[in-house]
This record gives sequence, C-alpha cells and structure tokens, in this order.
Amino acid sequence: AQKITQTQPGMFVQEKEAVTLDCTYDTSDPSYGLFWYKQPSSGEMIFLIYQGSYDQQNATEGRYSLNFQKARKSANLVISASQLGDSAMYFCAMREGNFNKFYFGSGTKLNVKP
Amino acid sequence: DVKVTQSSRYLVKRTGEKVFLECVQDMDHENMFWYRQDPGLGLRLIYFSYDVKMKEKGDIPEGYSVSREKKERFSLILESASTNQTSMYLCASSLTGSNQPQHFGDGTRLSIL
Repeated sequence: AQKITQTQPGMFVQEKEAVTLDCTYDTSDPSYGLFWYKQPSSGEMIFLIYQGSYDQQNATEGRYSLNFQKARKSANLVISASQLGDSAMYFCAMREGNFNKFYFGSGTKLNVKP
Repeated sequence: DVKVTQSSRYLVKRTGEKVFLECVQDMDHENMFWYRQDPGLGLRLIYFSYDVKMKEKGDIPEGYSVSREKKERFSLILESASTNQTSMYLCASSLTGSNQPQHFGDGTRLSIL
C-alpha cells in the first residue's frame, strides 16, 4: 500500500485565493511526522511545514497551514492568499518513529493564475 | 542557516564513464540521502547513510554506490554510467527523529550521452 497519496496531479488557483492540496497517509506507527515541501521549476526542494502525530493543534507557518485530521489520516496543505510565486510542485512526506526513511507522495503541480 | 551543497548544478557525461556526485552539509546531521527524480515517478531513494561509513540501500540502488568517509560528505557514484541514469539527483540530510525534516541541496541535472 502507498504510504503517502496525493490524488491531485495538477491544480489551478486564482491569485489571492486560498487553495487546499490533499495528502493522505498510511502508517501503524503511533509516532510519525508529516512534512510538506515546495519544488519550484528551478528544482530545489524547500521545506514548508511540519506536523507531528501527537500535536493537538494544526501547524501554521505564515500563509501555510496544515489541516491535520488524524482519524482520517489526512494532512492537507492550505495556502492562503495565493501568490504567483506559489506556482510549483508540492510534495507531502512522512517519517515514522526514529526510522530514517522518508516516504514522499507523487506531488501536486500548482499553477497560480493572475 | 541550514546548507546542503551539491557539487554541480548541471553535468554531462558519456556512457560508460564513472561519475561522482558530491554532497556536503554543514549542519552536523548524522543522516544523508540520495534521491533521483524523474517526471511522473516522484522521488526515489537510491541510498542513505546514518553514520560515517554506514550505508543502506534504498528503493533503486542498482547501478549506484555511495561513500561516506566524513560526516559532512556523502558521495554518489555511478560505476558505469548509462543513458537510463539521466535524471535529476537530489541530496538531503537530516537529524534522527520523526519531527526532523530533510534539508535538500539544489539538485544536479545529470545527462548521460
């Protein structure tokens, strides 16, 4: 079974609107971390936001927030007030316990329209 | 500030050559990783290392080897480059723990002719 599933290969959003990128995960480990990364066309992977499995509150970092629904095993990224510079690939990732391996989803390509 | 440096942004090599991709991190991270990224296939783990001289195979280790002689440096070696190894290669490092993110270098776009 896939550890991380991103079901939206591509999305469009109007500038200044909010957008939600979906991510579901699969694990039986009670301790895990969920991460979102942004990859612009230049290729570098930029760490955006982290959510821990024991965190009671949803993580927020500036315009990024994570809608964490533990029972549904979903960790959706919400970008508020989209900007043209938000156009990029976005990857959801998970790390279990103290294991070193990360599991990445297949990514969502976001296009912000002016 | 976190810094992972890959030796080349773009690299062109010939079939059969031995190719070295170098990665250096300045954060004293014990874990280092090499991925390749291809359109439609996402990130695939080639090898990772959790300590000096220690390594573990990832999902696609065939045709690759790695070297970690110093904590800050992790090298990916293509023993005999082939055209199907043309790809984007990403190096990352992290501390241990489920709350620790990976920090990536800028990537190397490798073309094997």
